Amino acid sequence: DQQVKQNSPSLSVQEGRISILNCDYTNSMFDYFLWYKKYPAEGPTFLISISSIKDKNEDGRFTVFLNKSAKHLSLHIVPSQPGDSAVYFCAVFAGGTSYGKLTFGQGTILTVHP
Amino acid sequence: KAGVTQTPRYLIKTRGQQVTLSCSPISGHRSVSWYQQTPGQGLQFLFEYFSETQRNKGNFPGRFSGRQFSNSRSEMNVSTLELGDSALYLCASSLAQGVYNEQFFGPGTRLTVL
Repeated sequence: DQQVKQNSPSLSVQEGRISILNCDYTNSMFDYFLWYKKYPAEGPTFLISISSIKDKNEDGRFTVFLNKSAKHLSLHIVPSQPGDSAVYFCAVFAGGTSYGKLTFGQGTILTVHP
Repeated sequence: KAGVTQTPRYLIKTRGQQVTLSCSPISGHRSVSWYQQTPGQGLQFLFEYFSETQRNKGNFPGRFSGRQFSNSRSEMNVSTLELGDSALYLCASSLAQGVYNEQFFGPGTRLTVL
């Protein structure tokens, strides 16, 4: 039973345009959300996070939106650059005793074309 | 500041053997988590250690074990290897004691079981 779902396996956008990556979760107890980027042969790199008491967090070109009623998380990248091409994972902490345990989605492959 | 390091980067073993993987966290980080990444299951949490104590464990058989040393370095061991254990094993470190801390990943150890 997949608790964190990224329903789009891949996304292709033009350089300079907006990339929107989506993530849905099933458990309303999830209360801290993160996005990671992964290049081949490297470990995931932390991008941005948001707690459940907020609905938006911004860091440079990256903005994460949280819609708790819909149990939906999205990452916006504006403007997209070719170097953003990578696999993007959303991840969540379930709270309470979830020490060190992130639950990941399956990932979305983002390709940004020059 | 040096990142998370993992050794070895690549390993080839045969069924029935055992293997030990090593992880050195970022200096000052006391929490180390381990994950298994496979094409079919994605990133799955194995266990987490803080101050030499296992605080959390994922749904993996007892063949998978770990430990943490006083300098926060961690090892994981897999005994009686099976073909299905072929995967990328990632460790991640984080700074503080609480639940909600961004994790910083190493490059991983690619284990192939023949």
